[in-house]
Amino acid sequence: GAGVSQSPSNKVTEKGKDVELRCDPISGHTALYWYRQSLGQGLEFLIYFQGNSAPDKSGLPSDRFSAERTGGSVSTLTIQRTQQEDSAVYLCASSLTSVGGEQYFGPGTRLTVT
Amino acid sequence: QKEVEQNSGPLSVPEGAIASLNCTYSDRGSQSFFWYRQYSGKSPELIMSIYSNGDKEDGRFTAQLNKASQYVSLLIRDSQPSDSATYLCAVFRGGANSKLTFGKGITLSVRP
Repeated sequence: GAGVSQSPSNKVTEKGKDVELRCDPISGHTALYWYRQSLGQGLEFLIYFQGNSAPDKSGLPSDRFSAERTGGSVSTLTIQRTQQEDSAVYLCASSLTSVGGEQYFGPGTRLTVT
Repeated sequence: QKEVEQNSGPLSVPEGAIASLNCTYSDRGSQSFFWYRQYSGKSPELIMSIYSNGDKEDGRFTAQLNKASQYVSLLIRDSQPSDSATYLCAVFRGGANSKLTFGKGITLSVRP
């Protein structure tokens, strides 16, 4: 079946602009996660959605970052007033439920802030 | 202490050898353990999951878990050049603030 999809695959933006990154999880998966991976670094947890519950935003690095998930499916990660340190690959993952933790990743969006 | 710790590597083994990748974790409440493989420029791919103490085998891969020692490992038998990648250990804690925590990964290089 179809895996997690993300768009765009690459995004180049000027410092100070806002960007929106999209994630479409595997059909039927109730949990959705956003991570960030900087060059040569590990995965940094950003935010987690489980069904209709309030999201766990504990990993968001600043109030410039926000995310929403509409209808329990597609999610959008928004970064306002982008900074050069926001440059990274943004990865989305989904899992069938939040119990157990088997997460499946999308291909990622490479964000470059110039 | 880091929540999930992996040897920094890189690890280099000859083709056909056994590659042994190790991971320790600090949260005794952790319930599920995973190994992901990440090729350069690609996203992580789930290759093994283990939930109880002991060994779990899947083809050339064996995951080992020892909760008392807070230790999980991945053995790759008959290593192939195509196994060359970064391997990420991930540890899951359920409950109200369920979270999957990743180690920084170890890069494996299999020499032909």
